[in-house]
Amino acid sequence: DAGVTQSPTHLIKTRGQQVTLRCSPKSGHDTVSWYQQALGQGPQFIFQYYEEEERQRGNFPDRFSGHQFPNYSSELNVNALLLGDSALYLCASSLFTRRDLLSTDTQYFGPGTRLTVL
Amino acid sequence: AQKVTQAQTEISVVEKEDVTLDCVYETRDTTYYLFWYKQPPSGELVFLIRRNSFDEQNEISGRYSWNFQKSTSSFNFTITASQVVDSAVYFCALKMRFGAGTRLTVKP
Repeated sequence: DAGVTQSPTHLIKTRGQQVTLRCSPKSGHDTVSWYQQALGQGPQFIFQYYEEEERQRGNFPDRFSGHQFPNYSSELNVNALLLGDSALYLCASSLFTRRDLLSTDTQYFGPGTRLTVL
Repeated sequence: AQKVTQAQTEISVVEKEDVTLDCVYETRDTTYYLFWYKQPPSGELVFLIRRNSFDEQNEISGRYSWNFQKSTSSFNFTITASQVVDSAVYFCALKMRFGAGTRLTVKP
């Protein structure tokens, strides 16, 4: 049973560039959430995708955008990179349960992508 | 607004000691879920437990136990007879809101 996978593992970019991170959810899951984790801090919620649409969004600027594909995999795009975007980007997958309208199904996390912006 | 507070930034114990990690939360929701995750040095967050607001029974899983008290908005996590492998950062979460984490170091 494949867990959540993310690529690449590490990435180095310069200010102003654009980056795309990828995530494949755990087998059987249909919902993908993205988090940013700065060094020494807890994960900060960026957004969540279900049925190829952004369902929830945290307090992140429009430079952060995403996409979910029919196979449930997802991409996170960040434009006009800033030094402050340097962080570990975590992808989490879950199975949306319609009985559970809280949308707080258990999330399983991938290993993350370490982004460094110089 | 939702908030999760983990007041203990770092805890250091000697192997075989018991240790409790505190978590206090704020929410206006009447129904909600709380979570604990472990983040070892490798960086991957590992799910430990999910608790819904209807169920205030304490949970025990091996050396781990959780004490959920809705009256005090707390969801504390206890590791009994700690081991070196328990060294990690532990996060409490309310829906998508995570606390700042508690770094636990267990010394041999």
